[in-house]
Amino acid sequence: QVQLVESGGGVVQPGGSLRLSCAASGFSFSDYGMHWVRQAQGKGLEWVAIIWYDGSNKYYADSVKGRFTISRDNSKNTLYLQLNSLRAEDTAVYYCATGATPQNFDLWGQGTLVTVSS
Amino acid sequence: QAGLTQPPSVSKGLRQTATLTCTGNSNNVGDQGAAWLQQHQGHPPKLLSYRNNNRPSGISERFSASRSGNTASLTITGLLPEDEADYYCSAWDSSLSAWVFGGGTKLTVL
Repeated sequence: QVQLVESGGGVVQPGGSLRLSCAASGFSFSDYGMHWVRQAQGKGLEWVAIIWYDGSNKYYADSVKGRFTISRDNSKNTLYLQLNSLRAEDTAVYYCATGATPQNFDLWGQGTLVTVSS
Repeated sequence: QAGLTQPPSVSKGLRQTATLTCTGNSNNVGDQGAAWLQQHQGHPPKLLSYRNNNRPSGISERFSASRSGNTASLTITGLLPEDEADYYCSAWDSSLSAWVFGGGTKLTVL
């Protein structure tokens, strides 16, 4: 079954850290670039980061640059997002999605909720 | 990072045609075109169209996309109740080296 499953969300204090995971199955994960996209409650989609299929290139939204790190382990078919120096405005559902040019955002996970609150 | 511009809401009647717009610039929509996604409340987004008018398998022909200059459009014909959702456009911005999203359009089917 082709799917992406996110995990690792939770409640964290401002300034804290969290690592999100996205487990891929049913397709050749190592052939696909991957995105993280987030959505605050009642708000629109916000792109967070992308990593190339082999991890050779990574790009970030200005709002997370220097605080978040995207990475992947193709041997484990897993994508990661390390979230550091978290702020209240980082509170959102975080989705992973496939990023294969030109068909970006073709497959999405169900999302994992990150809440930054004291 | 500047996003793409979409009207916040559009309302159309059952079986009518809705056209949603997405305005960017020559570095994003005007360069490589836009993708369109549909999102129902409480669900992840679903890709409807990529690179202007390429539909993933399983997407109805009622959904068609196009581009004119820096503006992308999504046309939905024969509106059905299940088309009521939020619609987002997205594009790679070559000057920002980042993907950008529109703010989304809430489509109401009357």
